[in-house]
Amino acid sequence: DAGITQSPRHKVTETGTPVTLRCHQTENHRYMYWYRQDPGHGLRLIHYSYGVKDTDKGEVSDGYSVSRSKTEDFLLTLESATSSQTSVYFCAIAGTNNEQFFGPGTRLTVL
Amino acid sequence: TQLLEQSPQFLSIQEGENLTVYCNSSSVFSSLQWYRQEPGEGPVLLVTVVTGGEVKKLKRLTFQFGDARKDSSLHITAAQPGDTGLYLCADGGSNYKLTFGKGTLLTVNP
Repeated sequence: DAGITQSPRHKVTETGTPVTLRCHQTENHRYMYWYRQDPGHGLRLIHYSYGVKDTDKGEVSDGYSVSRSKTEDFLLTLESATSSQTSVYFCAIAGTNNEQFFGPGTRLTVL
Repeated sequence: TQLLEQSPQFLSIQEGENLTVYCNSSSVFSSLQWYRQEPGEGPVLLVTVVTGGEVKKLKRLTFQFGDARKDSSLHITAAQPGDTGLYLCADGGSNYKLTFGKGTLLTVNP
């Protein structure tokens, strides 16, 4: 158990509303990631963090922002949700050999 | 940009059958990781292979890494319903970022 939790696990929201997803780890790992998973596209990296207040963009970062004010928490924000952001979102941390440990996921539906 | 192709995309078999799924890259892998994702859960690491020609076994699963480190295969012997899931390969890359393939969705029917 890598000690990763995500909240909420499920969320339904309306187009145009802001949404924040939270990832919490208990392992004190430096690297944290946010992915989205969609049929036909696999896992795609949104943003990642390599330390407190150190973040960088992934391949599908448009429409998303992140923050990491503490080692244990990595937040993903959709400033104004759109239907194209309906997806399953996974948080992950990196182990010492670059292997990744994933959280249980958040299923987000934007109506 | 590296492209990872996994095949087949879907595979449905009966319990007890053997199967092989493949992962191919347009460029040399830094290292190759295999994950399994069960429905409703996050991916879980199965194995990491690093050296060309490497073979690793995990119970009924056998992982092979091609000599040129551009391809890998996962062979399951006597598949069981508990093997059902999405099998993902990923390149270790650099800067602690992984590149994932789209996966093979395996269904093992009782």
